Amino acid sequence: NAGVTQTPKFQVLKTGQSMTLQCAQDMNHEYMSWYRQDPGMGLRLIHYSVGAGITDQGEVPNGYNVSRSTTEDFPLRLLSAAPSQTSVYFCASSYSWQGRTYEQYFGPGTRLTVT
Amino acid sequence: AQRVTQPEKLLSVFKGAPVELKCNYSYSGSPELFWYVQYSRQRLQLLLRHISRESIKGFTADLNKGETSFHLKKPFAQEEDSAMYYCALRIQGAQKLVFGQGTRLTINP
Repeated sequence: NAGVTQTPKFQVLKTGQSMTLQCAQDMNHEYMSWYRQDPGMGLRLIHYSVGAGITDQGEVPNGYNVSRSTTEDFPLRLLSAAPSQTSVYFCASSYSWQGRTYEQYFGPGTRLTVT
Repeated sequence: AQRVTQPEKLLSVFKGAPVELKCNYSYSGSPELFWYVQYSRQRLQLLLRHISRESIKGFTADLNKGETSFHLKKPFAQEEDSAMYYCALRIQGAQKLVFGQGTRLTINP
């Protein structure tokens, strides 16, 4: 299994440009999430999905859109990039077993710079 | 609101010394807590979870509901323990985590 994969690894955008960060998992996990990692802020949840066709907002959703058309893929779209969106983005997938066991698996991250 | 606090952004100890990374949480329900670690140039990975009551790589963490804490401890630090450590809280019944700000641990030789 490849686990959770993310593309691209690095990206530089100009203010106002749009782009999509790709995330895929091959573990058949129901749940997927997007986080951004900023120094001193930890990881903050942007959007998450509990299954195909179902998404919800996290802590910092503004400026980002998501969709979940398949179990495997969970792309994150930046509609109009701003310098404040310069960050490292992590995608994660997770499972639950009998409502108790729970683990999130993370992708390698995408480092985004907006100039 | 749920919150996880890691009061130390940076922690530096010498090899062989004990290490404790602090984590406090704020949550009115029944918490499920985790420690995640990110080694240099590697992805974030689960280190341990409180419900397993396990020791991983010599690390342990005990949930103290009275003090709302979940501190990570290791009696003898090793250089390979240098990494970024995140404490995380899973809200009951939810499939998302609330992370602390992270602590960068450096083990000096």
